[in-house]
Amino acid sequence: GENVEQHPSTLSVQEGDSAVIKCTYSDSASNYFPWYKQELGKRPQLIIDIRSNVGEKKDQRIAVTLNKTAKHFSLHITETQPEDSAVYFCAASISGYSTLTFGKGTMLLVSP
Amino acid sequence: DAGVTQSPTHLIKTRGQQVTLRCSPKSGHDTVSWYQQALGQGPQFIFQYYEEEERQRGNFPDRFSGHQFPNYSSELNVNALLLGDSALYLCASSLNDNQPQHFGDGTRLSIL
Repeated sequence: GENVEQHPSTLSVQEGDSAVIKCTYSDSASNYFPWYKQELGKRPQLIIDIRSNVGEKKDQRIAVTLNKTAKHFSLHITETQPEDSAVYFCAASISGYSTLTFGKGTMLLVSP
Repeated sequence: DAGVTQSPTHLIKTRGQQVTLRCSPKSGHDTVSWYQQALGQGPQFIFQYYEEEERQRGNFPDRFSGHQFPNYSSELNVNALLLGDSALYLCASSLNDNQPQHFGDGTRLSIL
């Protein structure tokens, strides 16, 4: 089955810096790649997603890039703010939007 | 418009017992997926229900079973509980798996 590796496990940045989280996947049939943000004790929330027919997608300070050949995708957050502090999960799906394989998560800490 | 709701929020059981968790999907959604999130890990896909049938299943033993009702709500049942079943159980819903799913706040299950 699909396997998703996520790095780093923790990331500390200063407010205003950029943050990059990287994921690799194993199954070349995967075609949907969402990113979720989970604050402590709260539900995972979708922040951005990309399908395999697109190489890059942006939404304000957040962007995701996908390299199908290398089977990796990355989350880029610019101008980080303390409220960006949370655990971020990448995921991949071979079929549909719901049968997701998640990475182990990255704890992002943004210091004022 | 109510989002995905889960009950109960917390539950404590002992080894060998059985448990039932409940999920009401977001209004207009007909597909329900269940995930297990162990502490410090990403969610793991358990199974997905659509039209009252289990449509897809992850790598979980038969002790994990589910049901979907005509109103699209769903139950997750776990028999013969083990200490390793302690986790946050997340429910997510979507419209026929054709759009990104929305997560509930989860049920925190502790096994003593």
